[in-house]
Amino acid sequence: DAGVIQSPRHEVTEMGQEVTLRCKPISGHNSLFWYRQTMMRGLELLIYFNNNVPIDDSGMPEDRFSAKMPNASFSTLKIQPSEPRDSAVYFCASSPPGQGATGYGYTFGSGTRLTVV
Amino acid sequence: AQKVTQAQTEISVVEKEDVTLDCVYETRDTTYYLFWYKQPPSGELVFLIRRNSFDEQNEISGRYSWNFQKSTSSFNFTITASQVVDSAVYFCGGTSYGKLTFGQGTILTVHP
Repeated sequence: DAGVIQSPRHEVTEMGQEVTLRCKPISGHNSLFWYRQTMMRGLELLIYFNNNVPIDDSGMPEDRFSAKMPNASFSTLKIQPSEPRDSAVYFCASSPPGQGATGYGYTFGSGTRLTVV
Repeated sequence: AQKVTQAQTEISVVEKEDVTLDCVYETRDTTYYLFWYKQPPSGELVFLIRRNSFDEQNEISGRYSWNFQKSTSSFNFTITASQVVDSAVYFCGGTSYGKLTFGQGTILTVHP
């Protein structure tokens, strides 16, 4: 099993540019989560999907952030326009069916380190 | 809504000391699951333990041990005889309504 795959690993972009982060969950997992990690706020849950449908996006910071999951094997997190304060590590995680409440099998990707200059 | 509080932002110890990382998980749920993850300097999130709210038995795994007390909502993590390789950020978290929420993390530095 290849695990949760995120791309790119590192992204440096200029303020105002659009940034797209990508995630491929583990095959067979039906829940997908996007987290952001900063020194100030720790690990925050931004949004999560179940069966490709967004269930809770209350953690999305503002309208500049959007997330999609067009199919069971792919999700994107887009920031448009990006700002320096968006600099962070963004993690994607997935979990198997029926385990959302238990957290069993919850698996994180390696993260994308985003720097906005 | 649930809340995860890790009281210690940073802890610094000398190798071979024991160290305890505190975590308090507040929720209205009667059934929930608690977690600890380790994030070494390389940045990945490493799963350490998962515990359900019905199981208050202490758990020991090598130098690691966990103490869950439902009455105080605490799920503390102790490293015995710490080593330099234990230096990392440690996150406590809990599940509610299908999502895992974390505390702010505790930075542990173990000096040789």
